Amino acid sequence: QSVLTQPPSVSGAPGQRVTISCTGSSSNIGAGYGVHWYQQFPGTAPKLLIYLNSNRPSGVPDRFSGSKSGTSASLAITGLQAEDEADYYCQSYDSNIRGVFGGGTKLTVL
Amino acid sequence: QVHLVQSGAEVKNPGASVKVSCKASGYTFSNYGISWVRQAPGQGLEWMGWISPHNGNTNYAQNLQDRVTLTTDTPTNTAYMEVEGLRSGDTAVYYCAREGGDSTGWSFDYWGQGTLVTVSS
Repeated sequence: QSVLTQPPSVSGAPGQRVTISCTGSSSNIGAGYGVHWYQQFPGTAPKLLIYLNSNRPSGVPDRFSGSKSGTSASLAITGLQAEDEADYYCQSYDSNIRGVFGGGTKLTVL
Repeated sequence: QVHLVQSGAEVKNPGASVKVSCKASGYTFSNYGISWVRQAPGQGLEWMGWISPHNGNTNYAQNLQDRVTLTTDTPTNTAYMEVEGLRSGDTAVYYCAREGGDSTGWSFDYWGQGTLVTVSS
């Protein structure tokens, strides 16, 4: 049981827009801690995709965007491409715990 | 450029211990914390703990704090993660990750390649 809740899977056709939600509580996201998103391809390490709710590291396409409101956050991917098919994880902090993750969402490009 | 290079795969018997290393390069090691994250086969990411190479301060996940020890060796820019009393449920890929600091909201901005630890008799 993950501290942050994500849908197990989402899907979309090429060119479409998809969103992935991340729901927390008043002890983590709602406490004002930033939310980060990671992209992971099978057999590889996660890669930072979005940090502090909505910021993209250098090299991440602007098709990826993040937002946060209250106790939830969202990752949006526009202009979906086949290469975006991967697992996506949200992460934040909770009280004295430096790192809590969502259970992960598998994105399928139809 | 920043690199985190981890030690190789391990196979251990139940009850044994394992120690995984993570050698950092491309930045000032003592300036950034290191977290360890594991991923069981087909499962999600689980944060295990954090260490500050600057002063050795640690913070562990509650369910692992009795069996996990994090250390660093600053002269060699290496972080270590040791798990004692291994059980089958500890079979996972173990990652080290650099905490990017205040400007990145303490996100994990660089990751090691992962180390597979298999616990089996």
